[in-house]
Amino acid sequence: AQKVTQAQTEISVVEKEDVTLDCVYETRDTTYYLFWYKQPPSGELVFLIRRNSFDEQNEISGRYSWNFQKSTSSFNFTITASQVVDSAVYFCALSEARLNKFYFGSGTKLNVKP
Amino acid sequence: GAGVSQSPSNKVTEKGKDVELRCDPISGHTALYWYRQSLGQGLEFLIYFQGNSAPDKSGLPSDRFSAERTGGSVSTLTIQRTQQEDSAVYLCASSSQGQGRIFGYTFGSGTRLTVV
Repeated sequence: AQKVTQAQTEISVVEKEDVTLDCVYETRDTTYYLFWYKQPPSGELVFLIRRNSFDEQNEISGRYSWNFQKSTSSFNFTITASQVVDSAVYFCALSEARLNKFYFGSGTKLNVKP
Repeated sequence: GAGVSQSPSNKVTEKGKDVELRCDPISGHTALYWYRQSLGQGLEFLIYFQGNSAPDKSGLPSDRFSAERTGGSVSTLTIQRTQQEDSAVYLCASSSQGQGRIFGYTFGSGTRLTVV
């Protein structure tokens, strides 16, 4: 069964627009962790944020914000006032307490045009 | 080292040849992971090392794939008799013991393998 679904394959916005990247996950564990990673054209995955299943408090970091809702099994990522440098592929990932591996979504490619 | 280092960054090989991909994790990181990213796809788990042992090899797609880790540090992923469907970016990641699933991994830049 697919663990993490990122339904948006590719999104294009114009600079300064807000954009939300969707992530829906599936797990039977009560303890799990959710992550967002950014993969710029250079290829290296860059860690952005981690959330554990017991903390539904939303988080804001500069232009980035994350909305974690257990009721809908979603962990969405919003970029406010997008910039060209935000152009990348963004991956949502899930890890379960029992296992030492991540389940990654298929990624959302974000194109921010000047 | 300061980050996870992978070599080569790019590899073009002929179908049927063997290839070796190398990963040098962050110093002191005992856990090491290999993932594969095919074009336009997400990351596919291949294998996980804790020290020199591999408690989870469940993601290796066939017996043509093998991996080893020596000295609790460098890991080598070997693909024998390469096929065109093996073409992908192979990513390595490391984390401190038992903490990767909680705090996340540090990834290398990957090796882009092209089988022609």
